[in-house]
Amino acid sequence: SQTIHQWPATLVQPVGSPLSLECTVEGTSNPNLYWYRQAAGRGLQLLFYSVGIGQISSEVPQNLSASRPQDRQFILSSKKLLLSDSGFYLCAWSAFPSAATSYYGYTFGSGTRLTVV
Amino acid sequence: AQKITQTQPGMFVQEKEAVTLDCTYDTSDPSYGLFWYKQPSSGEMIFLIYQGSYDQQNATEGRYSLNFQKARKSANLVISASQLGDSAMYFCAMREVNRDDKIIFGKGTRLHILP
Repeated sequence: SQTIHQWPATLVQPVGSPLSLECTVEGTSNPNLYWYRQAAGRGLQLLFYSVGIGQISSEVPQNLSASRPQDRQFILSSKKLLLSDSGFYLCAWSAFPSAATSYYGYTFGSGTRLTVV
Repeated sequence: AQKITQTQPGMFVQEKEAVTLDCTYDTSDPSYGLFWYKQPSSGEMIFLIYQGSYDQQNATEGRYSLNFQKARKSANLVISASQLGDSAMYFCAMREVNRDDKIIFGKGTRLHILP
């Protein structure tokens, strides 16, 4: 069965420090991968998505970046964190692109709660 | 323009009553999918129900049903016989097939079930 791992679960980082959040998927190949951010009490904002190794699309310009060094690995990074980067970060995967009648939505990781102080 | 609109930021419902969470969407694509996710206080996103744009019947999953009104671009979630464990944040979302399989979320509705 497919599983998605995301770590760490919680993180407290000072302003200006670097960030690296990792997400890995098991049990599937060539998944579409996504990074979302959720500010406190708000909806989910799509940050990045990837349809293959080395292919990254950015939805929102910001000081974050994403990389996909392996098929089932998705990394969210920052060189210098801002206070506004605080939030709940969720990784997700989807295995059926362009399937109009597929009922598969996303499978989400358990999330990382990031507090920038 | 906002593609998913959830007009109820919060709702309070008595236990065992039915509840309807509203969702309207906007798309020009003929192929799309509509989802509802539940997010308890732990933060995990739990898939509840899916409706495809070509599905003729409304989707149902146990106590959850999706009232799909295509002409009105409405996809309301109905929870029958609410339980205390239903208290959570609920997100309506849409997947546009021709847009790299991205799913766009609404801002959510916070549901409180009262004992």
